[in-house]
Amino acid sequence: GDSVTQMEGPVTLSEEACLTINCTYTATGYPSLFWYVQYPGEGLQLLLKATKADDKGSNKGFEATYRKETTSFHLEKGSVQVSDSAVYFCGERTAGNQFYFGTGTSLTVIP
Amino acid sequence: GAVVSQHPSWVICKSGTSVKIECRSLDFQATTMFWYRQFPKQSLMLMATSNEGSKATYEQGVEKDKFLINHASLTLSTLTVTSAHPEDSSFYICSARVEGQKAAPLHFGNGTRLTVT
Repeated sequence: GDSVTQMEGPVTLSEEACLTINCTYTATGYPSLFWYVQYPGEGLQLLLKATKADDKGSNKGFEATYRKETTSFHLEKGSVQVSDSAVYFCGERTAGNQFYFGTGTSLTVIP
Repeated sequence: GAVVSQHPSWVICKSGTSVKIECRSLDFQATTMFWYRQFPKQSLMLMATSNEGSKATYEQGVEKDKFLINHASLTLSTLTVTSAHPEDSSFYICSARVEGQKAAPLHFGNGTRLTVT
């Protein structure tokens, strides 16, 4: 069935380092793609999204580009901050309107 | 913005009892809601898709008689864990999306921590 595979964590970075969290999807066609973030002690919230090939979603300095040719939606940030420490989930919405998520990647940013 | 309220936020129950978790969309209507289970290593697994006025659609491997879902109105879906056992202890999260919006993202409840003793 449809699934999302994302880079396993945990990831630990120093402040101002570059971040990339890989994500690939399997749904056929053109699913909508999302990144969600779960800050410590909080619920999941949408970080960014993209709905068609070559779209770039961006928010809070994070970016992800919908790559149809590689079925990927990697999350990137040029300079992470301590406040970015959280768990990040890559997700897809299939043609059947179901949402599937990756396993989550825990990010810890140290000062 | 769209808010999904989930209740209770945590519950402890004895083995063999049933527990009901409510999920409400507070300021929008949701004909479809989704129930997830979050495992210890953060893995977020889709359990079922709850459809207002009809039967829920369960993912492969999820016992429909164990996890009863009722979506009686456009703003309320409930998940009942029947005859709970310690292995059912987990974090359950519901979500919904605003109908009619193209590529609308999910809005999540804050989750329910279930502990079965």
